[in-house]
Amino acid sequence: AQKVTQAQTEISVVEKEDVTLDCVYETRDTTYYLFWYKQPPSGELVFLIRRNSFDEQNEISGRYSWNFQKSTSSFNFTITASQVVDSAVYFCALSEVYSSNTGKLIFGQGTTLQVKP
Amino acid sequence: EAQVTQNPRYLITVTGKKLTVTCSQNMNHEYMSWYRQDPGLGLRQIYYSMNVEVTDKGDVPEGYKVSRKEKRNFPLILESPSPNQTSLYFCASSLRQATEAFFGQGTRLTVV
Repeated sequence: AQKVTQAQTEISVVEKEDVTLDCVYETRDTTYYLFWYKQPPSGELVFLIRRNSFDEQNEISGRYSWNFQKSTSSFNFTITASQVVDSAVYFCALSEVYSSNTGKLIFGQGTTLQVKP
Repeated sequence: EAQVTQNPRYLITVTGKKLTVTCSQNMNHEYMSWYRQDPGLGLRQIYYSMNVEVTDKGDVPEGYKVSRKEKRNFPLILESPSPNQTSLYFCASSLRQATEAFFGQGTRLTVV
């Protein structure tokens, strides 16, 4: 069955520390997409990245980087030199292509990141 | 500006009083979904629609109805709300399956 697990419920760091948010997924599909969304205290959901199952290249965008490892079914997210504005709930999500045509995103439970000044 | 608009943002209602949460998107997206967010559970899909007049149940559809009479609108209807439907609700749209989903601002519903 499809599932996304974010084992870290809450993480607290001090500004400028690096932090990695873990995401492990389960799917039987060979073609799928993985996403990360950010939910700041204001509540909206902000799209961060979409990665397909055939592209295992790591991606970097400014202070953000993503490590996709198919062998371990993980799609981890690292924030380098964290800032207070990074404080938010972060969700990892999975979308299957063949098992489901619903457009459904399967979300993890979310990781609350608190960055202290 | 490309966006998904939900209304209202906040709603407090009483058990059994029918309510509708509206959702509209201006991106001509095919797919639309409703999710509810509960602590420790992430977001779960309630209903989805692949196109006009095509809707189906998601993972937690009990107690909800939807309709898709126009491509841009996808209202969520609670015919007889109960306290266990107190939650944060999000409407989302995407161009097609497995593409980036755009979310509305959320509707915080409290049923007393």
